[in-house]
Amino acid sequence: AQTVTQSQPEMSVQEAETVTLSCTYDTSESDYYLFWYKQPPSRQMILVIRQEAYKQQNATENRFSVNFQKAAKSFSLKISDSQLGDAAMYFCALSGGYQKVTFGIGTKLQVIP
Amino acid sequence: EAGVTQSPTHLIKTRGQQATLRCSPISGHTSVYWYQQALGLGLQFLLWYDEGEERNRGNFPPRFSGRQFPNYSSELNVNALELEDSALYLCASSWGTCGTTDTQYFGPGTRLTVL
Repeated sequence: AQTVTQSQPEMSVQEAETVTLSCTYDTSESDYYLFWYKQPPSRQMILVIRQEAYKQQNATENRFSVNFQKAAKSFSLKISDSQLGDAAMYFCALSGGYQKVTFGIGTKLQVIP
Repeated sequence: EAGVTQSPTHLIKTRGQQATLRCSPISGHTSVYWYQQALGLGLQFLLWYDEGEERNRGNFPPRFSGRQFPNYSSELNVNALELEDSALYLCASSWGTCGTTDTQYFGPGTRLTVL
């Protein structure tokens, strides 16, 4: 079985500041992928960033980067220079064994002008 | 390029009825996934179809079923509806080349309300 835990139901950040969303996971697979998805209010969910577990280097996409700690089974998302458009629900997800995707319950991010 | 589309947008049913939800994947995608998003529970994996076959299903009772058509569109059927089936049902598609490790592209969802 695989599990994903997001322990922060809600977070807030001042515009232009940096915020980190936490995610821990558990899987028995040696080969797996981790994702962060963003679901803006009343809009479709989109991929923010994707990390392959066998890669040591942390993935980055513009203002979004991850801190992947494989031994600790931690996969946090850092958003730099936060913008109003970053306000959304953020879901951490895990796919192991190429057969199933497990999502966390999400973190609601509020961006304060 | 057209994204993933779902119909209907909203669906209202009464307890015991059947609901049918539809999904059209992005052109070229062969995998379709179904999720249930109930308030406070995140996304719960329901079903995964690829190349017309059911590849995996989540921990849901058999009254949740579906199929994938030759054009890769998909249908989710929920029989004997219960109040707790009220949720947003999301469909996602992917290229299907790397199983569930592919990036998934989501549709806008169908909001099912069971009265």
